[in-house]
Amino acid sequence: AQSVSQHNHHVILSEAASLELGCNYSYGGTVNLFWYVQYPGQHLQLLLKYFSGDPLVKGIKGFEAEFIKSKFSFNLRKPSVQWSDTAEYFCAVIPTSGTYKYIFGTGTRLKVLA
Amino acid sequence: EAGVAQSPRYKIIEKRQSVAFWCNPISGHATLYWYQQILGQGPKLLIQFQNNGVVDDSQLPKDRFSAERLKGVDSTLKIQPAKLEDSAVYLCASSPWTSGGPTDTQYFGPGTRLTVL
Repeated sequence: AQSVSQHNHHVILSEAASLELGCNYSYGGTVNLFWYVQYPGQHLQLLLKYFSGDPLVKGIKGFEAEFIKSKFSFNLRKPSVQWSDTAEYFCAVIPTSGTYKYIFGTGTRLKVLA
Repeated sequence: EAGVAQSPRYKIIEKRQSVAFWCNPISGHATLYWYQQILGQGPKLLIQFQNNGVVDDSQLPKDRFSAERLKGVDSTLKIQPAKLEDSAVYLCASSPWTSGGPTDTQYFGPGTRLTVL
């Protein structure tokens, strides 16, 4: 069965530190990949997505993610975090054929200290 | 463009009572999802509709949970009777149907926080 793993459950960083959040999935076929973010008191919203093409995708607020097919990974990065990046981040995967079942990871709670 | 609407935002009930949640997706979105998000976990898909038909309800506890999407627009999710472990946030999301299927971005509502005492 397909699954998504986010290895870091809680991350605490100081402002200006670099961020990398890991995401690995298990599925043998082609997938679309997403990172969603949930800021405190707000609903889940899209941060960035990858369907095809350049494996390095850029999203909102300076975030980027790299799809490495051979590693089944889609890690999220930001060179310099801000206090306003404090949020919970979810990686999600959906196969492009068959069941079309969206699978979310368990999330990473990021706290950025001012 | 109006977003996904959900109501109520909060609900507190006692165990064995029933409760219903309502969702109105973004206009034109064919696919509608209900998720359960327990504190500290990622959203877990309960049921997925394509228009008014069920695509996937494999993780819906059908002995107590039911959902419908009449006329392929808004949807209701019901729990009857509720258990303590049903305490969670219930999220509704919708996505457009593209030539590749419902594989694009999901748009989430604000969720309903259910507390079962």
